[in-house]
Amino acid sequence: DSGVTQTPKHLITATGQRVTLRCSPRSGDLSVYWYQQSLDQGLQFLIQYYNGEERAKGNILERFSAQQFPDLHSELNLSSLELGDSALYFCASSVGGTSGYYEQYFGPGTRLTVT
Amino acid sequence: AQTVTQSQPEMSVQEAETVTLSCTYDTSESDYYLFWYKQPPSRQMILVIRQEAYKQQNATENRFSVNFQKAAKSFSLKISDSQLGDAAMYFCAYRSAITQGGSEKLVFGKGTKLTVNP
Repeated sequence: DSGVTQTPKHLITATGQRVTLRCSPRSGDLSVYWYQQSLDQGLQFLIQYYNGEERAKGNILERFSAQQFPDLHSELNLSSLELGDSALYFCASSVGGTSGYYEQYFGPGTRLTVT
Repeated sequence: AQTVTQSQPEMSVQEAETVTLSCTYDTSESDYYLFWYKQPPSRQMILVIRQEAYKQQNATENRFSVNFQKAAKSFSLKISDSQLGDAAMYFCAYRSAITQGGSEKLVFGKGTKLTVNP
């Protein structure tokens, strides 16, 4: 158990719908990262938040958005869903900062299926 | 942008034998971290081993060791005395040590599926 929790574990929804994925980081971790794992694209970085502020964006679609709340949990919102959005979405957390090494701990992932 | 390449989509090894998984990467940076992650059928991402680019000594964690060749931009994982529980997808990953723009994102390769035969 990494200490990172993600809900729900599985989500099945239809095209055009909107869903919200939730992540609670490990106690004390300030950074939250979202990654998408799909068959064709592999594991890709989507976005990072540090202590409530957006720190970096990766290959995140405009239909997707995220935020980190004052209690440090994060939500990833996916809208106008398409079949190609079906994937495993991971949240990871770390102490974060500007230098040095710190491990990213991964949650169990949310499996999203768009039908 | 950095890229990570794993040229072996699948590998197999006999139990108790040794196997080496390959990884190459491309970067213009001199300071970075490299990782091997294991993803078993449960889908959990588990950190196996990490290497700091400034360290010449290869990292070792029990039965897992790496061969880090900085000039060749190569980072292979050796698993000794393979066990059935080692069967999983293995991902090579890169992280810049210089947080340009503040990102500590991981860049992953496509993965290698390792099968361990009894």
